[in-house]
Amino acid sequence: IVMTQSPATLSVSPGERVTLSCRASQSVGSNVAWYQQKPGQAPRLLIYGASTRATGIPARFSGSGSGAEFTLSVSSLQSEDFAVYYCQQYNNRVTFGQGTKVESK
Amino acid sequence: EVQLVESGGGLVQPGRSLRLSCAASGFTFDDYAMHWVRQAPGKGLEWVSGIIWSSIAIGYADSVKGRFTISRDNAKNSLYLEMNSLRAEDTALYFCAGAREGMELWSNFDYWGQGTLVTVSS
Repeated sequence: IVMTQSPATLSVSPGERVTLSCRASQSVGSNVAWYQQKPGQAPRLLIYGASTRATGIPARFSGSGSGAEFTLSVSSLQSEDFAVYYCQQYNNRVTFGQGTKVESK
Repeated sequence: EVQLVESGGGLVQPGRSLRLSCAASGFTFDDYAMHWVRQAPGKGLEWVSGIIWSSIAIGYADSVKGRFTISRDNAKNSLYLEMNSLRAEDTALYFCAGAREGMELWSNFDYWGQGTLVTVSS
């Protein structure tokens, strides 16, 4: 299963609402997770089951979608949120999207 | 505090072997499925291999099948990856990751280590 993320790069200012997209090449149900990775760090789980926030993840992060279309939203981007975001499907083996880089405008 | 600490990376010639280890602490290791995920320099994440809590179910990416072997020792809270016939394209940072759904081979990854770098070059 191929996971395609868009856009590749997003230039935003702190305080803006951000929406990242992830499309699966076939239905994956709700078996999608989102991760945040900052330079030199390991990925961190943000969302699993398409919409459930992981422990300790701020409420400004939310996930939605099912089937083949998924979205990660950040309601009001903070400076610490500039990072690369990956979606992952685990419905049929495991595959990751290629990532969306959220950078400062 | 949950910790996953990888070791065993380094510079190795093409065709040679390397064994990675991951030491786990801060959680009940044998409740978790464990995985290896790699990241080539400047690239995205690629799942490599996974093993459920009991070692009964194991999976490999097509790119490493037949060359890499995953194993775990629950008594030692440790995960391993034996890598043989290494190629230049195996060069990457290798992360160890833990999944709370211990009986499921396919799931999200709750915990991640900081990675160990493998460089395959002559």
